[in-house]
Amino acid sequence: EVQLVESGGDLVKPGGSLRLSCTASGFTFRNAWMSWVRQAPGKGLEWVGRIKSKTDGGATEYAAPVKGRFTISSDDSKSTLYLQMNSLKTEDTAIYYCTIVASGKFDYWGQGTLVTVSS
Amino acid sequence: QSALTQPPSASGSPGQSVTISCTGTSSDVGGYNYVSWYQQHPGKAPKLMIYDVSKRPSGVPDRFSGSKSGNAASLTVSGLQAEDEADYYCSSYAGGPYVFGTGTKVTVL
Repeated sequence: EVQLVESGGDLVKPGGSLRLSCTASGFTFRNAWMSWVRQAPGKGLEWVGRIKSKTDGGATEYAAPVKGRFTISSDDSKSTLYLQMNSLKTEDTAIYYCTIVASGKFDYWGQGTLVTVSS
Repeated sequence: QSALTQPPSASGSPGQSVTISCTGTSSDVGGYNYVSWYQQHPGKAPKLMIYDVSKRPSGVPDRFSGSKSGNAASLTVSGLQAEDEADYYCSSYAGGPYVFGTGTKVTVL
């Protein structure tokens, strides 16, 4: 059974940093393309970024609102996906979901972790 | 990349059908057959319901169907059931990034 478990969400001040983790199981993590998707309170889904598997080059891509501030990485030995978030803004407040992305679809989703950016 | 446009709400009585539209551009919906739809119940993670415009993952009832014409896609839920009441989001590959729709709340009357 595929499982994605996010962690690391917290309350952080504007301008601060936070690192989210997503621990994966039930599939071959090293072959998977992974993505982060967020959802602000009471709002819709927003794609944050994606990382290709290392076997496919490991390239990352980001949505314009987070480019230059967020970094996606992965550790195949730990089957873990990361989202490093720097220079956080109040508008980054959201539930952050870890997903497997394959052929244009988000196959499986974690339960999400809440990030609150507030002074 | 702008969000895909969906109607804020849709409704139908049990047993009826409801269709949700998802309008994008030639750079996303119109340019790729990578349109997918997600169902989200309150407090839950989204669930994939349709992918590649019209394909259903294993376990998704055949009451759910998808289609596309030009820069617009649509999701139809036939034979509405109480458990279909949820938020629905479309998504499209956009040549690198991905884009989601604005979301539609489906109410079963």
